[in-house]
Amino acid sequence: GESVGLHLPTLSVQEGDNSIINCAYSNSASDYFIWYKQESGKGPQFIIDIRSNMDKRQGQRVTVLLNKTVKHLSLQIAATQPGDSAVYFCAEIDAGGTSYGKLTFGQGTILTVHP
Amino acid sequence: GAVVSQHPSWVICKSGTSVKIECRSLDFQATTMFWYRQFPKQSLMLMATSNEGSKATYEQGVEKDKFLINHASLTLSTLTVTSAHPEDSSFYICSAPETTDTQYFGPGTRLTVL
Repeated sequence: GESVGLHLPTLSVQEGDNSIINCAYSNSASDYFIWYKQESGKGPQFIIDIRSNMDKRQGQRVTVLLNKTVKHLSLQIAATQPGDSAVYFCAEIDAGGTSYGKLTFGQGTILTVHP
Repeated sequence: GAVVSQHPSWVICKSGTSVKIECRSLDFQATTMFWYRQFPKQSLMLMATSNEGSKATYEQGVEKDKFLINHASLTLSTLTVTSAHPEDSSFYICSAPETTDTQYFGPGTRLTVL
């Protein structure tokens, strides 16, 4: 759904803890999902992606879970480090949509990792 | 990997002036590019889809006469904020899909209108 005008939720964790960031998406036709990390004053960076025919995908220290029934996506970061502090956004693509590569961004979460 | 650049990285201008922001795909061709606006502590809002060789497609509520988009070549899209006002101050980000699944974002341009 729209996040215009809404301030981002925050998550504070201690270094070494695991972090879980959640995202609800709106389009049941979306078939590709991406998590991005955005550091202050920079553009988003790709973290991990998942297709709608999968429930889980793992990367280095990160895992993405997809629950299509409730249209929910989560990003798990293991052994969170101070360098992980950033804003995290989920994004969805509807491959059947009219625009090539058009992303719809979720609300985002500010992650702060305390040493 | 592929890179998307933006220029300038930041700009300060007086109210009423126009500002042009460039978005370039450095090592791949992009027939489509996207322009986003981001206010502090908020998500990215898609403004428009820039299409090489045709008119840009604007999202609802975005004034096409105020935010002029020109996709001059397969590697360059420009966004011109015309008659800028303080409320246009924001972080403008472009992105370019290399494939359906692979999209690269520019580093963003911080616009401050005095």
